Amino acid sequence: GESVGLHLPTLSVQEGDNSIINCAYSNSASDYFIWYKQESGKGPQFIIDIRSNMDKRQGQRVTVLLNKTVKHLSLQIAATQPGDSAVYFCAENYTGNQFYFGTGTSLTVIP
Amino acid sequence: EPEVTQTPSHQVTQMGQEVILRCVPISNHLYFYWYRQILGQKVEFLVSFYNNEISEKSEIFDDQFSVERPDGSNFTLKIRSTKLEDSAMYFCASSGDTRWAFFGQGTRLTVV
Repeated sequence: GESVGLHLPTLSVQEGDNSIINCAYSNSASDYFIWYKQESGKGPQFIIDIRSNMDKRQGQRVTVLLNKTVKHLSLQIAATQPGDSAVYFCAENYTGNQFYFGTGTSLTVIP
Repeated sequence: EPEVTQTPSHQVTQMGQEVILRCVPISNHLYFYWYRQILGQKVEFLVSFYNNEISEKSEIFDDQFSVERPDGSNFTLKIRSTKLEDSAMYFCASSGDTRWAFFGQGTRLTVV
């Protein structure tokens, strides 16, 4: 089946810097995307979503960018904090309620 | 804050045994899901459940698996005749009026 993949499995940033986590998706029919954050020992936690009729959406300290031309999704975290250290997953939806998750990027924030 | 709760947090079972993983979704949610995550791999969709029946299932969700909502609050995943490769984190999730779902903290299933 189609897959969602992440370019970088690990990312280390200095506290206070901005983080960018990338995701490539392969199904052009996907119309909805989500970013989840997973801390150690916990389940995925919703961060932000975006529909395919948008190319940018902002939340609190986070921004998701969608480039449908190259099937690319990114999550930008402003002023990264130690509490942002986690694994970040993108997920796409193109049929029913099934979400297809990427492998995940581990973000480490260096104090 | 409402949350999805799963029990047990860790289950060890012998190969060939049956296990039941339990979940209490968020009370006013109508859509329920099970996902699994084999160590180091992607989170994979197993099944979605709505209006007391399966609405979608993946190729993984074969006859070995079943789901049930035995009462108004619990949602269970039964795995019959467990295999070593069933070892994984199993996540329950639920959603209401959003497309995205709230996830539980997971049950780690270890088949030995």
